[in-house]
Amino acid sequence: NAGVTQTPKFQVLKTGQSMTLQCAQDMNHNSMYWYRQDPGMGLRLIYYSASEGTTDKGEVPNGYNVSRLNKREFSLRLESAAPSQTSVYFCASRPGRAASYGYTFGSGTRLTVV
Amino acid sequence: SQQGEEDPQALSIQEGENATMNCSYKTSINNLQWYRQNSGRGLVHLILIRSNEREKHSGRLRVTLDTSKKSSSLLITASRAADTASYFCATDGGSSNTGKLIFGQGTTLQVKP
Repeated sequence: NAGVTQTPKFQVLKTGQSMTLQCAQDMNHNSMYWYRQDPGMGLRLIYYSASEGTTDKGEVPNGYNVSRLNKREFSLRLESAAPSQTSVYFCASRPGRAASYGYTFGSGTRLTVV
Repeated sequence: SQQGEEDPQALSIQEGENATMNCSYKTSINNLQWYRQNSGRGLVHLILIRSNEREKHSGRLRVTLDTSKKSSSLLITASRAADTASYFCATDGGSSNTGKLIFGQGTTLQVKP
């Protein structure tokens, strides 16, 4: 009953470095999402994948790319990290697009860019 | 921009008391959801209320929705120290075909033993 698994849990990057945040769910959910959480800002949507094979931009996509590798996995890539990307990143999934489902969240990746 | 605005931003009560948190939103919705986040953890889905519902209960949780005022409230009755967490409302912004949710900034609840 793992749910949504995110790796790594913590990461420190230097400005300009790249990295990929991994997310996998074992609930056979169709839709997956990446959010970032900053103090006083709540959660903001970066990218989402409403179904396998599709990805779309959210509210704050600049500086990020995503890959929906298969139905289980949805990765988030920072090509050239900037201090403004210091945040806590959450991956979430839900069974389908329909508005009647709640999200299942991972435990987060705490990223610091120095 | 944030769809949901929550009030108060912080709330401190004694164990056994009731806690009420409010959420206001800007656009039409299909449903509104409430989540809990314990410190350093991910969010946990608590309850979902549809736009044609006015009140919903789940255990010690009671959620109300007033679409005419674009507002919702979450009531936690007989609070416990374990209820200490941040609580977020989230709406779909009226979009039912993407599953995107728009989150408020949250209410931090402290329940003192």
